[in-house]
Amino acid sequence: DTAVSQTPKYLVTQMGNDKSIKCEQNLGHDTMYWYKQDSKKFLKIMFSYNNKELIINETVPNRFSPKSPDKAHLNLHINSLELGDSAVYFCASSQDRNGYTFGSGTRLTVV
Amino acid sequence: AQKVTQAQTEISVVEKEDVTLDCVYETRDTTYYLFWYKQPPSGELVFLIRRNSFDEQNEISGRYSWNFQKSTSSFNFTITASQVVDSAVYFCALSEAGRGYQKVTFGIGTKLQVIP
Repeated sequence: DTAVSQTPKYLVTQMGNDKSIKCEQNLGHDTMYWYKQDSKKFLKIMFSYNNKELIINETVPNRFSPKSPDKAHLNLHINSLELGDSAVYFCASSQDRNGYTFGSGTRLTVV
Repeated sequence: AQKVTQAQTEISVVEKEDVTLDCVYETRDTTYYLFWYKQPPSGELVFLIRRNSFDEQNEISGRYSWNFQKSTSSFNFTITASQVVDSAVYFCALSEAGRGYQKVTFGIGTKLQVIP
């Protein structure tokens, strides 16, 4: 039973399209996150929700919009995809400061 | 602002050698947490250890050991008798204190290649 699951695992799409990545956790954690890992493996936080409330919103283009319908889900919607959005996107969850549990990642390729 | 520096971008060792991955951090918080994560070639991120700023005891888990020294703001990771399965990118990370949540800043990672 996967603790943090993301779908899809791979996503190939054309520039200008709109796409969503879904994330669900069954750990009962209060906080969920989206991280972006670029081609150089650098991990950068994008957003975080705590009990459905947005608490971290880093400098990210407003084409990226997170949505948290409940504390077990945090989805990422991306409008008007650009080539530079190609990356691996990781969802994670945590409780207090016990470290993250990451999903397996979504490799997004924009062509 | 917090910062994590992993000065070694790539390391190659021969199997059974010991290897130490360096991590130096900067923070203005007095309470903080340090982490190490492993990312094998398959791509998932695997949690290895968490250490809080008040606990400077070294930790050993099998072939893995961690040396936390506040005086030098370092949290180094040693793999003893390395194996091919240890080949991965290793990330050191730092969490600032929050209200029950955490914003974790990652280093750029050290790619370890263990040669058979």
